[in-house]
Amino acid sequence: DIQMTQSPSSLSASVGDRVTITCRASQGISNYLAWYQQKPGKVPKLLIYATSTLQSGVPSRFSGSGSGTDFTLTISSLQPEDVATYYCQKYNSAPNTFGQGTKLEIK
Amino acid sequence: EVQLSESGGGLVQPGGSLRLSCAASGFTFSNYAMGWVRQAPGKGLEWVSAISGSASITYYADSVKGRFTISRDNSKNTLFLQMNTLRAEDTAVYYCAKVRWAVGDFDYWGQGTLVTVSS
Repeated sequence: DIQMTQSPSSLSASVGDRVTITCRASQGISNYLAWYQQKPGKVPKLLIYATSTLQSGVPSRFSGSGSGTDFTLTISSLQPEDVATYYCQKYNSAPNTFGQGTKLEIK
Repeated sequence: EVQLSESGGGLVQPGGSLRLSCAASGFTFSNYAMGWVRQAPGKGLEWVSAISGSASITYYADSVKGRFTISRDNSKNTLFLQMNTLRAEDTAVYYCAKVRWAVGDFDYWGQGTLVTVSS
């Protein structure tokens, strides 16, 4: 099965900073990569699918890129409401594994 | 408005069984694959299982294969997860989720139901 590895595991940044989270697949997954945001005590929310397509209603400061095995989630200007754990998920073929998560905090 | 509501969680002894249900509304249920994702206390998300819209194809994580069975009743807009031979490591919040495309990513999630496996 394909493994998904996120880095870093945790991250502290200041409001207004540009933040980048990476996700690496152990084998190529084309562009079948999604990103989710889970705020403390809340249900996960789909942010991005097909590597770079923003889900409806997601602020434009979020963006995604990559292909094959290496992917990134970027927040162009960090806001206080972005405090959350972020997960990537591959979905080219089951099992549609999640990464281990990246916890993002405000410095 | 899409709504997903899980039920059936609770406390069960190791080796026991439990059946989770997920009632769906706000979309044409039979047109979409559905899935289950779990999250152990303080841990990350773990993909558990998925089923196609017609129920003809099912998928499982290795960790639950042979013990869990996913099914659906399209006439009642309900998704199920039958969990047998439960282990302590199955303790988690179980989320029901609607697949956005094919048997892929999830665009809507329920609030989750807690399953605790303990003696």
